Amino acid sequence: GDSVTQMEGPVTLSEEAFLTINCTYTATGYPSLFWYVQYPGEGLQLLLKATKADDKGSNKGFEATYRKETTSFHLEKGSVQVSDSAVYFCALSGLGGSQGNLIFGKGTKLSVKP
Amino acid sequence: EAGVTQSPTHLIKTRGQQATLRCSPISGHTSVYWYQQALGLGLQFLLWYDEGEERNRGNFPPRFSGRQFPNYSSELNVNALELEDSALYLCASTPTGTGYHEQYFGPGTRLTVT
Repeated sequence: GDSVTQMEGPVTLSEEAFLTINCTYTATGYPSLFWYVQYPGEGLQLLLKATKADDKGSNKGFEATYRKETTSFHLEKGSVQVSDSAVYFCALSGLGGSQGNLIFGKGTKLSVKP
Repeated sequence: EAGVTQSPTHLIKTRGQQATLRCSPISGHTSVYWYQQALGLGLQFLLWYDEGEERNRGNFPPRFSGRQFPNYSSELNVNALELEDSALYLCASTPTGTGYHEQYFGPGTRLTVT
């Protein structure tokens, strides 16, 4: 079935460091891809999305490009801030029998130190 | 615009009891989704309701059930609670049930089963 694999955490960076969180997926068909962020004690917030191959989603300095050839959707940010500390989830939209279902990776916890 | 709201914020129940969790979608949204976020298990899809009907269901036993009301709000019921049902339950909504994969999440209900 469809699945998402993202890099294990936790990831600890210093402020202004470059961030990459790897995400790869397995899917039949062409799902939409998402990054969600969860701050401590809160629900999920949509960070960015891409709906077709080669689309680049971007928001708040974060970017990710839908790469069909490598089935990847890596999250990047050029200069992280302490306020970016959170758990990041990569997800894809289920198709067929999984319609309506967002399939999530296990999440990557990011801690940014001042 | 108000986001997805969930109640209660926290719920403590004893094993064997029943729990009822509530969700109000964003105004204008007709689809509601439920997810379980249990420690170590990540985010797992529970149920999808659209226009009052159950459209899809995740791999959970029948004691997890729900419904959607005419105003599109939704209720998740968990019967015969077990200790492993302790988790954060997240509700999400979208404007329509088909072809729209971007889900907007509420803050969640933390269910603790003792």
